[in-house]
Amino acid sequence: DAGVTQSPTHLIKTRGQQVTLRCSPKSGHDTVSWYQQALGQGPQFIFQYYEEEERQRGNFPDRFSGHQFPNYSSELNVNALLLGDSALYLCASSSGGALQPQHFGDGTRLSIL
Amino acid sequence: AQRVTQPEKLLSVFKGAPVELKCNYSYSGSPELFWYVQYSRQRLQLLLRHISRESIKGFTADLNKGETSFHLKKPFAQEEDSAMYYCALKNYGGSQGNLIFGKGTKLSVKP
Repeated sequence: DAGVTQSPTHLIKTRGQQVTLRCSPKSGHDTVSWYQQALGQGPQFIFQYYEEEERQRGNFPDRFSGHQFPNYSSELNVNALLLGDSALYLCASSSGGALQPQHFGDGTRLSIL
Repeated sequence: AQRVTQPEKLLSVFKGAPVELKCNYSYSGSPELFWYVQYSRQRLQLLLRHISRESIKGFTADLNKGETSFHLKKPFAQEEDSAMYYCALKNYGGSQGNLIFGKGTKLSVKP
């Protein structure tokens, strides 16, 4: 089991562009959460997807949007990129209800020039 | 507001010394707390959770609701314990809840 996989590993964009990050959950998991980790900070919750719907959202603007597919994989889209969006974006998956722990991927390092 | 505080950015100890990584939380409800660890060049992984009341790699953590703390302890640190440690609080606002992380403490165990 490869666990949670994310692509791409690294990405460089310029201000104003749009980006799509991808995540495949761990086998058997049906819930995907996205986090943003700025340098020197802990991960910060963006949103969570379950049954192809956004179930919970953190304090992030509408420029951040997502999608979950029938196979439980997920995408994170960010529009109108800002320099401050430079960060490591982590995907975490879980299943079986609220008490199950989240498993994290390696992340996508996004750099905005 | 829900919050997790890890007051130390860096903690440096010698091999064999006791280690305590501090974590305090603020949560209006019954908290569920975790410790995650990130070793060099590896992904973030769950170390332990308070409801399991288990010891992993010699680490333990006890939830103290009176002091709103969940400190991580190990009696004898090893060099392989050097890593970044994050305390996290589960926030139940949706179907599965999400995690609120502290800023992390870097543990350095010297030989």
